[in-house]
Amino acid sequence: QKEVEQNSGPLSVPEGAIASLNCTYSDRGSQSFFWYRQYSGKSPELIMSIYSNGDKEDGRFTAQLNKASQYVSLLIRDSQPSDSATYLCAVEETSYDKVIFGPGTSLSVIP
Amino acid sequence: DTAVSQTPKYLVTQMGNDKSIKCEQNLGHDTMYWYKQDSKKFLKIMFSYNNKELIINETVPNRFSPKSPDKAHLNLHINSLELGDSAVYFCASSQDGGRRTDTQYFGPGTRLTVL
Repeated sequence: QKEVEQNSGPLSVPEGAIASLNCTYSDRGSQSFFWYRQYSGKSPELIMSIYSNGDKEDGRFTAQLNKASQYVSLLIRDSQPSDSATYLCAVEETSYDKVIFGPGTSLSVIP
Repeated sequence: DTAVSQTPKYLVTQMGNDKSIKCEQNLGHDTMYWYKQDSKKFLKIMFSYNNKELIINETVPNRFSPKSPDKAHLNLHINSLELGDSAVYFCASSQDGGRRTDTQYFGPGTRLTVL
């Protein structure tokens, strides 16, 4: 069973700061990587997907991928209290065409 | 318009009972999934269907039986419910579970409580 690991947190940052969320994975063949956000009591929703090494920016969110290090991260700039949620890293497991979710990192943005 | 819907939203039942959860997607997607999220919030895949065909069947007790009458529906039937089955069950769909895994769209979840 391939693994996806994240710091469980909680990660607390002040409003306006940069939140940095990290994820490592074990499947060297993975090509697809996703960040989902899950508010308490709600379902996960996609924030970013990334497939190539480097950075991908979308508004205040930047996903970073380093396949050699088997590492993917999510940066949230100008963090807002509304960003407080659990962030799930998801990585494609190539053998079975499925996605494995990490345990999630709980983020709290303090006003 | 709801993209992925599940019923019921809440399900409280006694140990030993049999229950079903229904899921429907109106996105025209080819692939549907069932996930279980436990109290520690760990989201774990249970089953995946592509065009009504079972393609992923994780090590789930055979008390759990998925059924896909068509590619827009994926239902989950659970026999002889146990305390450990208490969790939130999410249905999800994606355009194509092929070589590159696509974005998954999740339903609102069904919170199952077994007493």
